Amino acid sequence: GESVGLHLPTLSVQEGDNSIINCAYSNSASDYFIWYKQESGKGPQFIIDIRSNMDKRQGQRVTVLLNKTVKHLSLQIAATQPGDSAVYFCAENNYGQNFVFGPGTRLSVLP
Amino acid sequence: EADIYQTPRYLVIGTGKKITLECSQTMGHDKMYWYQQDPGMELHLIHYSYGVNSTEKGDLSSESTVSRIRTEHFPLTLESARPSHTSQYLCASTYPFPPYEQYFGPGTRLTVT
Repeated sequence: GESVGLHLPTLSVQEGDNSIINCAYSNSASDYFIWYKQESGKGPQFIIDIRSNMDKRQGQRVTVLLNKTVKHLSLQIAATQPGDSAVYFCAENNYGQNFVFGPGTRLSVLP
Repeated sequence: EADIYQTPRYLVIGTGKKITLECSQTMGHDKMYWYQQDPGMELHLIHYSYGVNSTEKGDLSSESTVSRIRTEHFPLTLESARPSHTSQYLCASTYPFPPYEQYFGPGTRLTVT
C-alpha cells in the first residue's frame, strides 16, 4: 500500500550500553507526556509517563527527562537488552485531550 | 495486558469488497481511537469517539467510517476496499484518569489485492 508518512529514524546500540531516544513535542500546553514501546506485530504499550510539573522521572531501567524550555523529551534506557528492540513513540496530551504522537524511533540492539 | 481486542488479526481481501474491522474493550473507557500505521511508519489518527453516538474524523483523510452504538464497541468500515487501504489498523482506548494513557489492541493487518 501507499506510505502515509515518514520512515522512522533508527538508533543502533550495543547490548549493555545505554540508549537515549529523543522527541520534540509541539504543544506547550500539554500536561502529560508518555513513552510507548511497540514491538513487531503488536500495538504500542505504555512504558512511563511524566507530568509537565516534573523534569525527571525514573522507572525500572528507564528514565524520562522533560525540558519544557525547548519542548524536548527524552527516554533513557540503561543497560539495553535485546528485548528492548522496538519502535518507541513519545506522546503528549492535555488532560486527556489533544493527543499527539511523535514520529517514533526504531531502536536496534546489536549483539 | 489491556482488555482491548481486534478482529480479524489478518485479512486479505479483493478490491471493491466491503469490510468491517472490529474493536472491543471491556474497560468501560469512553474515548476510543482508530489509527492507521504502515510498517515502520508513524501512527496516523483516522477516527475517534468520545463516547456513545460520538464519532469524529482524525488528521488523516480516510475513506472509512466508524460507529459507536455501545461503549465497548467501535467498528471501522471500508465500503469499497482498494489496494491503497493496505496497512495496519490499530484501535485504542484511553484511561480516563492521569496520565490518560492509551491502551492499544494488537492491530489488524489488512491487505487489499
